[in-house]
Amino acid sequence: AQTVTQSQPEMSVQEAETVTLSCTYDTSENNYYLFWYKQPPSRQMILVIRQEAYKQQNATENRFSVNFQKAAKSFSLKISDSQLGDTAMYFCGTRERAQKLVFGQGTRLTINP
Amino acid sequence: GAVVSQHPSWVICKSGTSVKIECRSLDFQATTMFWYRQFPKQSLMLMATSNEGSKATYEQGVEKDKFLINHASLTLSTLTVTSAHPEDSSFYICSAWLAGGYEQYFGPGTRLTVT
Repeated sequence: AQTVTQSQPEMSVQEAETVTLSCTYDTSENNYYLFWYKQPPSRQMILVIRQEAYKQQNATENRFSVNFQKAAKSFSLKISDSQLGDTAMYFCGTRERAQKLVFGQGTRLTINP
Repeated sequence: GAVVSQHPSWVICKSGTSVKIECRSLDFQATTMFWYRQFPKQSLMLMATSNEGSKATYEQGVEKDKFLINHASLTLSTLTVTSAHPEDSSFYICSAWLAGGYEQYFGPGTRLTVT
């Protein structure tokens, strides 16, 4: 069974700083997908970034980038030039071929002005 | 991007009654939909996976007779909480998977309060 672990329950940084959120996972599959979702106070889940496991190149989306270490089963999210609107819960998730998306415990990120 | 709606956004019901939550994919056909439950300050826990036209697959520990899921069409899945009790109070979120794609699209969630 796939499992996802986020070891940082809460993080807090100043606006414009860079922050890295950690995520480790376990899966028996060789083909899978990794995701970071953001859940702001509205509670609407928003996709931040995704990574296909077969791709070696780390995914990037504007200020968001990942450090994907397949052998270590690690998938961290880096947010550069953090903004107040980045304040939210962040969930790391994996989806195997069975299509079931499983999330970690979440990290509450606060960006301070 | 694809849009998923949920109705109602907030519902209050009395203990012992049943309540139905609808999840619709508005601009795409979803062969697979998922139902999650989220307690305050916690993660999303997958309850079940529903495929159009077939019975839902429930996660271990989820009572299938209590949480009835119907996926009658490619754009609609419903979750019925039967004989609701206060411990069923939670935030329920559905998501839909666009076949052939990578992403699951999430609805805005439904807050259920059982009094």
